[in-house]
Amino acid sequence: GENVEQHPSTLSVQEGDSAVIKCTYSDSASNYFPWYKQELGKRPQLIIDIRSNVGEKKDQRIAVTLNKTAKHFSLHITETQPEDSAVYFCAAAWSNTGFQKLVFGTGTRLLVSP
Amino acid sequence: DVKVTQSSRYLVKRTGEKVFLECVQDMDHENMFWYRQDPGLGLRLIYFSYDVKMKEKGDIPEGYSVSREKKERFSLILESASTNQTSMYLCASSFRAPPGYTFGSGTRLTVV
Repeated sequence: GENVEQHPSTLSVQEGDSAVIKCTYSDSASNYFPWYKQELGKRPQLIIDIRSNVGEKKDQRIAVTLNKTAKHFSLHITETQPEDSAVYFCAAAWSNTGFQKLVFGTGTRLLVSP
Repeated sequence: DVKVTQSSRYLVKRTGEKVFLECVQDMDHENMFWYRQDPGLGLRLIYFSYDVKMKEKGDIPEGYSVSREKKERFSLILESASTNQTSMYLCASSFRAPPGYTFGSGTRLTVV
């Protein structure tokens, strides 16, 4: 079935440490993998995405890696800051909808302590 | 900047009432979606629409219906509100694949 698993559900780090969030997906044809950040009381916002023809993408302190063979992808945040504290959702575009629908993971609550 | 606007930020309704949640986007997106967000359950898809007058059931459509009479507007209808429909409801829109969603600010619905 349509499933994206996300781990861990909660992650606590000290400011300046790195944080890694991992997701696995079940649709081997999925070709688009976005990550969303949701701050408390706000809407989820797209922070980075990757397509299946790319293995890694970076944007300043944020990077995403994709392993298509293993069907997993990860979000890496380096030099974490308190403003990185939020809930992060991974997602995958599902092939049975012409890749027009995203299936989301259950979210990771990241807490960065000063 | 793409704007996805949900008509109400907070809503309190009584059990059995018919409830309308409205969502409007201003970027000519083809796709529109309704999700509900509950702690520990993430984002669950209720209904989505790829075009005007077109709708598809998501993962949890029971107790809900939708309407898309115009491209920019997607309405979620709770036919007879129940307490287990108390939740945060998020609307999203996107162009066709790849579906980089833009979310609305959400409507926190409480059914008493």
